[in-house]
Amino acid sequence: EPEVTQTPSHQVTQMGQEVILRCVPISNHLYFYWYRQILGQKVEFLVSFYNNEISEKSEIFDDQFSVERPDGSNFTLKIRSTKLEDSAMYFCASSERTSGTDTQYFGPGTRLTVL
Amino acid sequence: GDSVTQMEGPVTLSEEAFLTINCTYTATGYPSLFWYVQYPGEGLQLLLKATKADDKGSNKGFEATYRKETTSFHLEKGSVQVSDSAVYFCALSLAYNTDKLIFGTGTRLQVFP
Repeated sequence: EPEVTQTPSHQVTQMGQEVILRCVPISNHLYFYWYRQILGQKVEFLVSFYNNEISEKSEIFDDQFSVERPDGSNFTLKIRSTKLEDSAMYFCASSERTSGTDTQYFGPGTRLTVL
Repeated sequence: GDSVTQMEGPVTLSEEAFLTINCTYTATGYPSLFWYVQYPGEGLQLLLKATKADDKGSNKGFEATYRKETTSFHLEKGSVQVSDSAVYFCALSLAYNTDKLIFGTGTRLQVFP
């Protein structure tokens, strides 16, 4: 069964450093998402992406964050200058088309630790 | 604002016990409702969903009914197995102008033999 993959599984970085989290969505999917979960808190929506542009973003997704689909398979989340509060599990998801009833398929997550 | 509230865990049960994980929501309009499950080391997987009031979603012995009058979508299973041990997330999507999912905090279920 096709699945969403994410790399790395765990990333440790120093505060102020840039990190890039990578995702490979399911191949025929057109809509891509990033969510995050700070330990002990809710899974929060960050951004959705379609047709090479952001379709929606949350208040969390400020100028420090960016997303890109650099080629036909990868979808990346970049944090330009990490802060301690960026420490969280980051989940990538994809779906075939946008609809509130469509299933979003999630990857296993990348645990980001900012020291 | 729109939100989902789940019962806190962990929920600890013996094998073959009855499971209920409570989920209530606050939303403008008519959301679609979902239960996702996360097994250790894996991503979030859709367990079941319901898109309108009184719909019942079911999968792998789990069920949840969309109750508009009580704004609830409680997850139930008649007889849990050790392999059901996981974290369960309730979520909603507003559908009409956005496709983002709004999640609860997740409830960890531990089933012992």
